[in-house]
Amino acid sequence: AQKITQTQPGMFVQEKEAVTLDCTYDTSDPSYGLFWYKQPSSGEMIFLIYQGSYDQQNATEGRYSLNFQKARKSANLVISASQLGDSAMYFCAMREMTNYGGSQGNLIFGKGTKLSVKP
Amino acid sequence: DVKVTQSSRYLVKRTGEKVFLECVQDMDHENMFWYRQDPGLGLRLIYFSYDVKMKEKGDIPEGYSVSREKKERFSLILESASTNQTSMYLCASSLITATNEKLFFGSGTQLSVL
Repeated sequence: AQKITQTQPGMFVQEKEAVTLDCTYDTSDPSYGLFWYKQPSSGEMIFLIYQGSYDQQNATEGRYSLNFQKARKSANLVISASQLGDSAMYFCAMREMTNYGGSQGNLIFGKGTKLSVKP
Repeated sequence: DVKVTQSSRYLVKRTGEKVFLECVQDMDHENMFWYRQDPGLGLRLIYFSYDVKMKEKGDIPEGYSVSREKKERFSLILESASTNQTSMYLCASSLITATNEKLFFGSGTQLSVL
């Protein structure tokens, strides 16, 4: 079974509008971390934001925020005021912490969502 | 800033060749990773290493091996390249804390096996 599901293979958003990229996850580990990465056409993966499973507040980093709904096992990325430079692939990822540092503590990636920002 | 450098951006090899993909990081990170990225499949972990001479299999280790003789360098080896190993290969390094881990990625090597 997939541990990270990104149901939107592609998304369009108008410049300056907000956009939400969906991510749901599956784990029985009580301790885990959720990540979002951006991959522009250059190929480099860029870390955006992190949310720990015990964090009480939703994570925010500038124009990025993570809408963490633990009971629903969702960790959607919200980008406010989209810019043309936000056009990229976006990957949601999860690390299960219990076997921290061992082979079961790998970062597991979803298949990605391609975001296109229209001028 | 952390820098993760992959030796080649594009590589073309023939079936059966032995292929070395090199990755170097300059921030003294303990952990290094090799992923492959294929359209529609996202990133899949091949191998990772949490210390010199230590390695762990990821999700798809078959057909690959790795070497970590020095902390800063993590090499991915295709003993006998096959066409189904045509892919984008991404190296990453990280410094794990108790509550967070941020991976720093190289810019990738697009390998084509003919």
